[in-house]
Amino acid sequence: TQLLEQSPQFLSIQEGENLTVYCNSSSVFSSLQWYRQEPGEGPVLLVTVVTGGEVKKLKRLTFQFGDARKDSSLHITAAQPGDTGLYLCAGFNTGFQKLVFGTGTRLLVSP
Amino acid sequence: SQTIHQWPATLVQPVGSPLSLECTVEGTSNPNLYWYRQAAGRGLQLLFYSVGIGQISSEVPQNLSASRPQDRQFILSSKKLLLSDSGFYLCAWSVPRGGYTFGSGTRLTVV
Repeated sequence: TQLLEQSPQFLSIQEGENLTVYCNSSSVFSSLQWYRQEPGEGPVLLVTVVTGGEVKKLKRLTFQFGDARKDSSLHITAAQPGDTGLYLCAGFNTGFQKLVFGTGTRLLVSP
Repeated sequence: SQTIHQWPATLVQPVGSPLSLECTVEGTSNPNLYWYRQAAGRGLQLLFYSVGIGQISSEVPQNLSASRPQDRQFILSSKKLLLSDSGFYLCAWSVPRGGYTFGSGTRLTVV
C-alpha cells in the first residue's frame, strides 16, 4: 500500500509569513499533484510535477518534486488569508489508474 | 468544457436506510470515475473507481457499492446505512494520468 504522509497536519500563521508543507513517502511516484480544498467543496488541482527535482511556481506558491520522486514540498511566500484551506498532495503511479492522497495539511492564515 | 455534477449536497439518513448518491460528468467521453470519502479535515479515502461502463473496482470492503450504468454516470449505494458511513463523499473524474476534477461533495449524516 502506498502512503503519503504530510507535515505539519495543522499550521496557523499570520499574514505575511512564509511556510513549507511536506509530503513524504517510501514509494516512488511517476507524478505528484497538489490540491487545495475549501470547506464544503471538492479539492481543486494546483499543480502536477513529473520529473525528479522539478520545481514549479504558481504566483507565491513554489512546488518541488524530490530527486527520487518519493517526496514533495509546497512553499508559500508571504501568506495571505486567501491561502487558508486544506492542502493535499497526491501521488500517481502509472501502474494504477488512481491517485493516492496524502493525509492533508490544514492551513489557517490570520490577518 | 467539462463539468461534474454531484447530488445531493447534504443528506441526513437514519441508520438502516438505503443510500443512493449520483454523479454525472459532461463534456468528456470514457472518463475514469472515482468515489472518495473524506473524514473531517483529513485526506481522501478511495472507495471505488471505474475505467468503463460496468467496470467497478472496490478499494475498501464495506457495506457500500458502486455502479456505472452509463459512460458518464457513477452511483454510490448502500442497502443499509451504518453510523460509521457518515462523512463527506466526493465524486471525481479524470483522463488517464491527468489531474482529477472533483464534484462539490455530499455531506452525509447517518443518525
